Parts: sequence; structure tokens; C-alpha cells
Amino acid sequence: RKEVEQDPGPFNVPEGATVAFNCTYSNSASQSFFWYRQDCRKEPKLLMSVYSSGNEDGRFTAQLNRASQYISLLIRDSKLSDSATYLCVVKDSGGGADGLTFGKGTHLIIQP
Amino acid sequence: EAQVTQNPRYLITVTGKKLTVTCSQNMNHEYMSWYRQDPGLGLRQIYYSMNVEVTDKGDVPEGYKVSRKEKRNFPLILESPSPNQTSLYFCASRDPGVSYGYTFGSGTRLTVV
Repeated sequence: RKEVEQDPGPFNVPEGATVAFNCTYSNSASQSFFWYRQDCRKEPKLLMSVYSSGNEDGRFTAQLNRASQYISLLIRDSKLSDSATYLCVVKDSGGGADGLTFGKGTHLIIQP
Repeated sequence: EAQVTQNPRYLITVTGKKLTVTCSQNMNHEYMSWYRQDPGLGLRQIYYSMNVEVTDKGDVPEGYKVSRKEKRNFPLILESPSPNQTSLYFCASRDPGVSYGYTFGSGTRLTVV
């Protein structure tokens, strides 16, 4: 079974700090990678796609390491509003369902 | 506004009473999917559809039915709900292709007593 693993946390981080967390995936043939953000009892929302060359969107940087089969999310200058659960999503080329596998999420708490 | 709309947002029902959760998207997406989310188990896919009249089982399809008669709608049907189907349900849609992630509806919190 294809697996996507995340440290559930919670990560308690002071406001303004930089925080990073990883997600490992088991299928070396995985094609696409995403980070989603989910606030408590709300729907997951796409934060960013993860490209092979890495990509940055404001304070957020996502990177892919295919050799070690993990993706990472870095948040700089963290804000209180960054408190949420961050879901890693991996898309495979085939297999069951439509190929999307969700991690269980990493819970981040930014403290004042 | 581009969105996925689910109804109802909250539902409390009794064991065995058939119910339908509706889902509609206005983005002309081909793919639609239903997930349930439970503490400690994350998001698990129930059913998905790649186009009209094309549906497939996800990881946890038992006790659920779906239909895709129109591109925009993808209702989830519980013919005989049981307490173990108490959960938070999300409908989602996306374009095909490897680059696209899902857009989720706001969720339906279902309690079966």
C-alpha cells in the first residue's frame, strides 16, 4: 500500500520563528506533490504545489527530494495565523482510486 | 466565485434512515471525489468519479453509493446509515492531469445515532 507519512506534531513555535517539516512517501514513481492547509473543522485548502526545482510563495518554500523520497515545507517569519494542520498530498500515476494519497497532517501551533 | 458546495453542513440522523449529501461544483471539473475524515485516520477516499456516468470505489466505499448523472453534481448516498459512519465528509473536485490538486467543499458533519 502506498504510504505518505508525516509527523503529527503538534509543533509549538514562537511567532516570528522559522519552522520546517517533512513528509515522506513510499512510491518512487509518484508524480505530483502538494501541500494543503486545514484549519480546525474546516476544509483543506491548497497551499502550494511542489515542483522538482523547489518553489517559493512569499514566506513559504516547498522542496522535493526524489532521491530520499520526501517533500518539505518551510515557513519563515511565522505568524499566529499560520497555526493549522498541514497536509502532504502525493499523486501517483496509477493504482487504486485516482492516485491521490493524503498524509494525516502535521499540526502547527504558533505561539505569541 | 469558483466553489464546491455541499449540503447540509450538519446532519444528525438515526440508524437506518436513508440520507443524501449533495455536492455541486461550478468549475466544470471532470474529477469529483468524496472523502471522510476521522481523528487519527486522516482523509480517506470513499468514491471518486472521472466524468459523467464514471464512478469508482476509493479506499472505504462500504455503506455508501454515489452517482454522476451530470458533470456538476456528485451526491453521496447512505442507504442505511450506521453509527460508524459518523464522520466529517468532504466533497472535492479538480481538473484531470498531474498538476492539479482538489478544491474541497466546506464539509458535512454527520452524526448517526
